[in-house]
This record gives sequence, C-alpha cells and structure tokens, in this order.
Amino acid sequence: NAGVTQTPKFRVLKTGQSMTLLCAQDMNHEYMYWYRQDPGMGLRLIHYSVGEGTTAKGEVPDGYNVSRLKKQNFLLGLESAAPSQTSVYFCASSYSTVGGEQFFGPGTRLTVL
Amino acid sequence: KNQVEQSPQSLIILEGKNCTLQCNYTVSPFSNLRWYKQDTGRGPVSLTIMTFSENTKSNGRYTATLDADTKQSSLHITASQLSDSASYICVVSAGRGGADGLTFGKGTHLIIQP
Repeated sequence: NAGVTQTPKFRVLKTGQSMTLLCAQDMNHEYMYWYRQDPGMGLRLIHYSVGEGTTAKGEVPDGYNVSRLKKQNFLLGLESAAPSQTSVYFCASSYSTVGGEQFFGPGTRLTVL
Repeated sequence: KNQVEQSPQSLIILEGKNCTLQCNYTVSPFSNLRWYKQDTGRGPVSLTIMTFSENTKSNGRYTATLDADTKQSSLHITASQLSDSASYICVVSAGRGGADGLTFGKGTHLIIQP
C-alpha cells in the first residue's frame, strides 16, 4: 500500500517549457487535489477533482491544467512554465471533501529558470 | 473571507520541554479543524481532527483543544523530542462542502534543540 505517490521528485525547467506532474493513489479515494507550497504562503489549492472525469479550479489555477482520466491518477500540466511557478507541488487524496483527512504525497520540487 | 492565523511563525525549544501552538480562525460555517504535521521535505500528515462539539483530543504527546466560541485552537506538545521538529499546519473546514471549503494556516515552524 504505497498511499499517494508523485512523479518526478525534482525537476528544473526553462521558461516556456512544458511538463506534466503525475499523482497516483491506491486508496480508492474519489477526491484528489493539487497544491503548491511557497515560503510564507502556506498550501494553496490549484485544482481538484471529485471523481473520475471531473476537475474544478481552486484558489490559484492560472497557468495550470489537470486531467483525471482514471480514478487513481491525477495529472497536473504546465503548458508554458514561468519563474513564478517555481514551487513545491503536493498532491493529496481523500475519502470525503468536507474536512476529510487528506493524504499527501511526498511533493515535487520544481524550479523554473 | 475565511482566514486561519497561526502563531508563533517559528519556535525553538529544548528537548524535553513542552510547547503550545495557536490557531485562530474566522471560517463560517465551521465544520471541523485539523492539525497536520509536516516534516522537512515531506507531505503533511494528519495529527488530530476537532469537531464543533469536541473540546480536547489527544494523540500520544500531542493534545489539541478547541474553543468554538472564541474560534481558537491550540496544539500542545508534551515532553518534546527531536522528531517533533517540523511545521504544524492548522486547517479549518467550512461546512458548505466542496474541496475548496478548506482554509489552511501558514504553519508554525518548530525546532527542537538537543
């Protein structure tokens, strides 16, 4: 039982490049989330999904896209990376949305030069 | 606007000592409050959950309290250990439902010195 896993762990991009972050969970959770964490800012919700085939915008969605083609996977895409997207990205999943415990992945540290 | 304020921002204490972290919130309608522990370089892990009717809850050396009237919560750590060094994040859930109903505090960075 791996819980929530994220790929890759680290990545360096140049401005304008694109990439996809992969999140996988093996707990059969319906709900999945993508957050970014910046120094002094705390965790901020980018996008989330309440089930396979559904996605919704969070607090800071601009510059990101997501897809949930399979229940266990949640992909976060950056089409044209910008230095402002340098951050640590966390994926999480939960059984319910209203205060349900979220299980977080180990994070992806992304640097955009 | 829903807000969660945590204090102090950072704290350094000696191993074996106790400490208390604070969380004040203005989230409405209130559903529950969670404390997460985040070790350096890792994702947060839930420590406790507090609902409206609960005043105190313990998880080993961690004890959380909730005062729903004053909208304050605290996390008390007893007999601190080096492994308690981490960031502690307070997360309050609004009762309207939905994944965007969570409000995160910025965390308290706790350092335990030997």
